[in-house]
Amino acid sequence: GAGVSQSPSNKVTEKGKDVELRCDPISGHTALYWYRQSLGQGLEFLIYFQGNSAPDKSGLPSDRFSAERTGGSVSTLTIQRTQQEDSAVYLCASSPHRVVRYGYTFGSGTRLTVV
Amino acid sequence: GQSLEQPSEVTAVEGAIVQINCTYQTSGFYGLSWYQQHDGGAPTFLSYNGLDGLEETGRFSSFLSRSDSYGYLLLQELQMKDSASYFCAVRDGGQGGKLIFGQGTELSVKP
Repeated sequence: GAGVSQSPSNKVTEKGKDVELRCDPISGHTALYWYRQSLGQGLEFLIYFQGNSAPDKSGLPSDRFSAERTGGSVSTLTIQRTQQEDSAVYLCASSPHRVVRYGYTFGSGTRLTVV
Repeated sequence: GQSLEQPSEVTAVEGAIVQINCTYQTSGFYGLSWYQQHDGGAPTFLSYNGLDGLEETGRFSSFLSRSDSYGYLLLQELQMKDSASYFCAVRDGGQGGKLIFGQGTELSVKP
């Protein structure tokens, strides 16, 4: 597609439920990133996929968080047993390769609210 | 690890020039990037500095001094639409291209 697409745009869930967030990167972009942004805060790195390499999961805050990328394209971020502190905007980005000089293209994010 | 510092807020008037500073600490350096984010929107890439000096893109310029671990974003002829948050970012010193972002500077442009 023309840009990075994320769905849903908004998600309200009850504490303890599982949620899945989807990211559809720009076609041909080999690198895909997930970040989390709490209100008024910076972007917190979660996980990074590059081609067929093993993902860099170093930013995942707990084992309740997991992500996969199927066929080198669409990615799903799953949060199990959601907690109120998981409430944030989850941003996905993609780039043509791992060289940062060309910049990331971000999606508009999924606003997750855990009640 | 990597850390970045930038002011939390800056205010300026329309038509003025404003500079947003960023200092960083990294284990290895692979360039300084800048992103703009309007309220509720997606961050968008503004500029990248891999070498010392000034990079200019229209009304926006970005500067880097590697010896000082310092950079800045310069916005000229400010417009109301420039009101946004601005983030500096450095590439993680380890493998891959993931960026580590600063906490952001909220720029308010007043008439």
